[in-house]
Amino acid sequence: ETGVTQTPRHLVMGMTNKKSLKCEQHLGHNAMYWYKQSAKKPLELMFVYNFKEQTENNSVPSRFSPECPNSSHLFLHLHTLQPEDSALYLCASSHRTSGEFVYNEQFFGPGTRLTVL
Amino acid sequence: GQNIDQPTEMTATEGAIVQINCTYQTSGFNGLFWYQQHAGEAPTFLSYNVLDGLEEKGRFSSFLSRSKGYSYLLLKELQMKDSASYLCAVTDSNYQLIWGAGTKLIIKP
Repeated sequence: ETGVTQTPRHLVMGMTNKKSLKCEQHLGHNAMYWYKQSAKKPLELMFVYNFKEQTENNSVPSRFSPECPNSSHLFLHLHTLQPEDSALYLCASSHRTSGEFVYNEQFFGPGTRLTVL
Repeated sequence: GQNIDQPTEMTATEGAIVQINCTYQTSGFNGLFWYQQHAGEAPTFLSYNVLDGLEEKGRFSSFLSRSKGYSYLLLKELQMKDSASYLCAVTDSNYQLIWGAGTKLIIKP
C-alpha cells in the first residue's frame, strides 16, 4: 500500500448504529487530519493529531470520536449519528515542520462516503 | 472571520485556456495551495505559492498577490481529463489550512 488509505469506501448506517472509519498513512508523516466534505461547501476540519496528540477539535459533536493509536493510524468512531452527518469523510496526513517556515502540504485518502438513514 | 472565495462552476472548451480565481481573507498568511479533485476521488496537490508572482508547472500555472489577497490558477491546452473541482486553500497564522468551497470545471469538446 502507498499513500493514504481509508476503509470502508462506502458506509450506510442507521442513527442507532456504531461504526468506525479507518485511515492509514504510509508516508512517514507526523500529522493526521479528519475532514468532512459536504456538497458545495468548503472542507471542514474536524480533528488534527500531531505526533499522536490531538491538537485541534473544531467544535465537533461528541457523536464523532477520534482515536490515534500511533502516527500511522487514525480512526473516527461514529455513534448515534444524524442524517445531516451524511458526507464524504476525508483523512489526510502531512509532515509538519517547526520553526519560522511551515510547509503544510496535505496528502489525502480517497474518503469514506457516509450515508446516515 | 476567515473566508476563501472562488467561483462555484466554470465551463471551458477543450484546447482553450481557463483562469480560476481565488480571493482570501485570513488571520495571517503562510502560503496558498491549489488542489485538484476528480469526482469521488481524493484531492491531489497541484501548486503552492508563498511569494508574489507566477509559478509555472507544465500546463498549469498559479499566481499570487499577497497585498490583494488574490490568487489564480491558469490551465492551458485544456483536456477532457481536466474536468474536476479545483480547491484553493490558505495556511493561516495557526498553520491550519483554510479551504474554499471549490470550483467545478466542466470541459466541453
